[in-house]
Amino acid sequence: GQSLEQPSEVTAVEGAIVQINCTYQTSGFYGLSWYQQHDGGAPTFLSYNALDGLEETGRFSSFLSRSDSYGYLLLQELQMKDSASYFCAVSGNTPLVFGKGTRLSVIA
Amino acid sequence: EAQVTQNPRYLITVTGKKLTVTCSQNMNHEYMSWYRQDPGLGLRQIYYSMNVEVTDKGDVPEGYKVSRKEKRNFPLILESPSPNQTSLYFCASSFDAGAYEQYFGPGTRLTVT
Repeated sequence: GQSLEQPSEVTAVEGAIVQINCTYQTSGFYGLSWYQQHDGGAPTFLSYNALDGLEETGRFSSFLSRSDSYGYLLLQELQMKDSASYFCAVSGNTPLVFGKGTRLSVIA
Repeated sequence: EAQVTQNPRYLITVTGKKLTVTCSQNMNHEYMSWYRQDPGLGLRQIYYSMNVEVTDKGDVPEGYKVSRKEKRNFPLILESPSPNQTSLYFCASSFDAGAYEQYFGPGTRLTVT
């Protein structure tokens, strides 16, 4: 089967940097995705890593280590609007499987 | 505009009264899926469809039915809703089953009393 582990909650200060980790167990791994969901909203796609290394998209970066079955989402220059839940998801031989999500609270 | 639509957005119903939540996408996606989201449990997959007339159970299919008669539509049917099906439901679609980017509908908040 497939399983993903990520912290349930993270709190960080506005303007700071926060890292949300994700470890996974899966067969036939293709890549790791990240999604953002604001309260009351739908999940939206943020990033995808198929290869080892760091992918940067503005203030957000995502990292993957296939050998460690580990990835993280890095958010820099945190803003209040970044308060949301963040889900990692693995794609492989089966349809996309989501982690339980990490609730990020950005405080002033 | 490329989108996934769901209806209704909010529904309050009573135990045992059959209901259908519709889902439609205009992106010609092959893959469609239904999730329910409950506090602390993340997104749990109910059913998915890899193409027309091809559906399969996800992690929590009990009490639900689906059909995929047309590529764009993937309705979720609750034949006899129960209070434990009170949840937030999302429909999603993607180009194919292996795609890493899924497009989600706005969600349907269902309350069963």
